[in-house]
Amino acid sequence: AQTVTQSQPEMSVQEAETVTLSCTYDTSESDYYLFWYKQPPSRQMILVIRQEAYKQQNATENRFSVNFQKAAKSFSLKISDSQLGDAAMYFCAYRIPHMDSNYQLIWGAGTKLIIKP
Amino acid sequence: DAGITQSPRYKITETGRQVTLMCHQTWSHSYMFWYRQDLGHGLRLIYYSAAADITDKGEVPDGYVVSRSKTENFPLTLESATRSQTSVYFCASIGRQETQYFGPGTRLLVL
Repeated sequence: AQTVTQSQPEMSVQEAETVTLSCTYDTSESDYYLFWYKQPPSRQMILVIRQEAYKQQNATENRFSVNFQKAAKSFSLKISDSQLGDAAMYFCAYRIPHMDSNYQLIWGAGTKLIIKP
Repeated sequence: DAGITQSPRYKITETGRQVTLMCHQTWSHSYMFWYRQDLGHGLRLIYYSAAADITDKGEVPDGYVVSRSKTENFPLTLESATRSQTSVYFCASIGRQETQYFGPGTRLLVL
């Protein structure tokens, strides 16, 4: 069965510092997608970053970047120069390509990120 | 660009009543989804739809009914609400680069 594990229920970081959130997944597939979503107190689910498994290069979006280790089935999110607005729940999600999955996402349990001013 | 809207945003109902949560998207995306999120948990898939008139069950479909007569609308109905259905409900659709985009959510309280 495909699973996504976020081993850190809660993380805290000082404003302006860097923090890394962990995510591991279990799959026998070779082609898939990985996502990080942010959920602030408003409860809106916001896409942070997306990675395609066939791409060697780690995805980057401004202060957010990932460390994708395909062999280790690891997909960590690094947030640089943390800001108060980054405080939220962060969810890691996995999906196999359309033909096999109907776009269904497998979700981790989430990591609560606290930013200390 | 309105994206995905959900209504109502907040709903209080009583056990046994029928409740319908609305979802509307302006992008003409084919795939749409309904999730529920309970405190301290990630999202669990209730139903999904590949296109108008095509729907299928997700992980937790019991007690819910969906329909999709038009591409842009995907209502979710709780036929006889139970307290265990108190949750936050999210609608989503697949967009650019096969990424799911979410509505703002509906907070449902069943008394």
